[in-house]
Amino acid sequence: RKEVEQDPGPFNVPEGATVAFNCTYSNSASQSFFWYRQDCRKEPKLLMSVYSSGNEDGRFTAQLNRASQYISLLIRDSKLSDSATYLCVVTRDSNYQLIWGAGTKLIIKP
Amino acid sequence: EPEVTQTPSHQVTQMGQEVILRCVPISNHLYFYWYRQILGQKVEFLVSFYNNEISEKSEIFDDQFSVERPDGSNFTLKIRSTKLEDSAMYFCASIRGDNNIQYFGAGTRLSVL
Repeated sequence: RKEVEQDPGPFNVPEGATVAFNCTYSNSASQSFFWYRQDCRKEPKLLMSVYSSGNEDGRFTAQLNRASQYISLLIRDSKLSDSATYLCVVTRDSNYQLIWGAGTKLIIKP
Repeated sequence: EPEVTQTPSHQVTQMGQEVILRCVPISNHLYFYWYRQILGQKVEFLVSFYNNEISEKSEIFDDQFSVERPDGSNFTLKIRSTKLEDSAMYFCASIRGDNNIQYFGAGTRLSVL
């Protein structure tokens, strides 16, 4: 089993729709969780950290389910500019080693 | 806003040549990383560096690779004898230490001919 698994997509979604991604992780000792966004041929950029209580930043909502070892990202009212690859990242034991998922590609269509 | 800077943005080299990729992490950061990403593939961890030594490295980081932090600011990745399959984007990242959010440089695209 991969340490971090994501559906590679692509998810083709009409503008304005709501889309959700899940990510599962295998290490129950992981303590920190993140969603990064990567545009084509650019560096990954932090979208949001994921907290146990769940957190929201504008149109983006992240949830953590420790019991089932998955995290989710919900994007509401999707924009064309949301088209990107979304990377799920979790820490390993040391907390400074990050394990990267392969990413989920999102394409927002007008 | 402080940022991680990488030079050059694009490096073209002949197979078998040595290349040095340079990174200047954010000044008060303590942990440093190199990743690579082959076109169309996932981000792959190469090596992490803390307190002037390698803290972890992946299977990819073989004897052809080395890292240095020669002057307290620059963080370099050297590939001694490049192979065609080393062609990729190489990203440098750093972490401050009181949280584990990684900040990335814009990357160096390495093309091995």
